[in-house]
Amino acid sequence: DADVTQTPRNRITKTGKRIMLECSQTKGHDRMYWYRQDPGLGLRLIYYSFDVKDINKGEISDGYSVSRQAQAKFSLSLESAIPNQTALYFCATSFSGRADTQYFGPGTRLTVL
Amino acid sequence: GQNIDQPTEMTATEGAIVQINCTYQTSGFNGLFWYQQHAGEAPTFLSYNVLDGLEEKGRFSSFLSRSKGYSYLLLKELQMKDSASYLCAPGGRSYIPTFGRGTSLIVHP
Repeated sequence: DADVTQTPRNRITKTGKRIMLECSQTKGHDRMYWYRQDPGLGLRLIYYSFDVKDINKGEISDGYSVSRQAQAKFSLSLESAIPNQTALYFCATSFSGRADTQYFGPGTRLTVL
Repeated sequence: GQNIDQPTEMTATEGAIVQINCTYQTSGFNGLFWYQQHAGEAPTFLSYNVLDGLEEKGRFSSFLSRSKGYSYLLLKELQMKDSASYLCAPGGRSYIPTFGRGTSLIVHP
């Protein structure tokens, strides 16, 4: 079984809809992250959480919100999706006690029409 | 961003050696990561340099010079499966990692 899972893997939605992307991990890591990846722009950090009670904005948080429901779960919401949020979204985890090497989920491909 | 510069694309021949450079303008990070990402897949960890110098791990080696703001990833005995993007990322120990845009490596026969 994969250590970091994301659901859904693919999603097509319409402008204005609310979307939630979910991430779960079985690695026992304390830190979790959400990134988006666009062609030519690399990985950009949306939000990160160092523990259940800690939520921080990243480089591009506008239009997104997150919830850390448990140490193992970190969800990303788009309250009102817009076409320029079409991207590949990755969740990642790391362990604070070991260099913070990041382990990524398989990604969610989101298309907003 | 943290002004991380990598070449956009490189091509090389199977069996050859290729060096992917990364320059950055940031400080305060603990170490420098390299990740590999195949098209449509998640990035995976390749290497982490804490100290200046060369770290060798099989066919892959990574070098860091903090004073020069410079790192490189060296891939030897290239294989077709090495065709991927390679991401440079200062980070480690609570320093929020920032990823470069990645270098797309194309290995041809």
